[in-house]
Amino acid sequence: GQQVMQIPQYQHVQEGEDFTTYCNSSTTLSNIQWYKQRPGGHPVFLIQLVKSGEVKKQKRLTFQFGEAKKNSSLHITATQTTDVGTYFCAGPSLYQKVTFGTGTKLQVIP
Amino acid sequence: DGGITQSPKYLFRKEGQNVTLSCEQNLNHDAMYWYRQDPGQGLRLIYYSQIVNDFQKGDIAEGYSVSREKKESFPLTVTSAQKNPTAFYLCASSIGRQASLHFGNGTRLTVT
Repeated sequence: GQQVMQIPQYQHVQEGEDFTTYCNSSTTLSNIQWYKQRPGGHPVFLIQLVKSGEVKKQKRLTFQFGEAKKNSSLHITATQTTDVGTYFCAGPSLYQKVTFGTGTKLQVIP
Repeated sequence: DGGITQSPKYLFRKEGQNVTLSCEQNLNHDAMYWYRQDPGQGLRLIYYSQIVNDFQKGDIAEGYSVSREKKESFPLTVTSAQKNPTAFYLCASSIGRQASLHFGNGTRLTVT
């Protein structure tokens, strides 16, 4: 079945440093979604990318969808303590089954 | 306000008992999902439903059952056959095919 892997599993950064998480799917995706889960909370939708090679920005966050539509990345510039949490990518299949990546847990040291 | 309501927030049960987790949405979404999350782990799909009276198994359906008799409701029963039921259970919905998911606050189930 479809597998979605993310690296790294954990990342500790000093506040102000940049952060990147990478997402790789075993199958081609129709779109890629990114979610953020704060400690003790539930995942919250951040963004969806649809087109091959698409790049979208949300303030300090930059999302990219690979040319082959099998990988994606999330880059945060100048991290802040409010960025703490686990970031998940997710890829829906043709039959509505949505598979989540393994997640990257970000810790920001003030 | 529209949203997804999961209840209760915390649930405690004795081993061998079945337990049903509630999930209600007033977003008028067609699709609903149940995920399980273990400490430090990702989200694993238990069941999903694209339409009323229809649902499909996810990746870890064994020991669980669901029903979708109403568009707004998608209850999950954790049966005694589930060997490791203690986990954080998340319900989600989406407007349709390929759309993003909207999550409830989750239910933390502890079975002793």
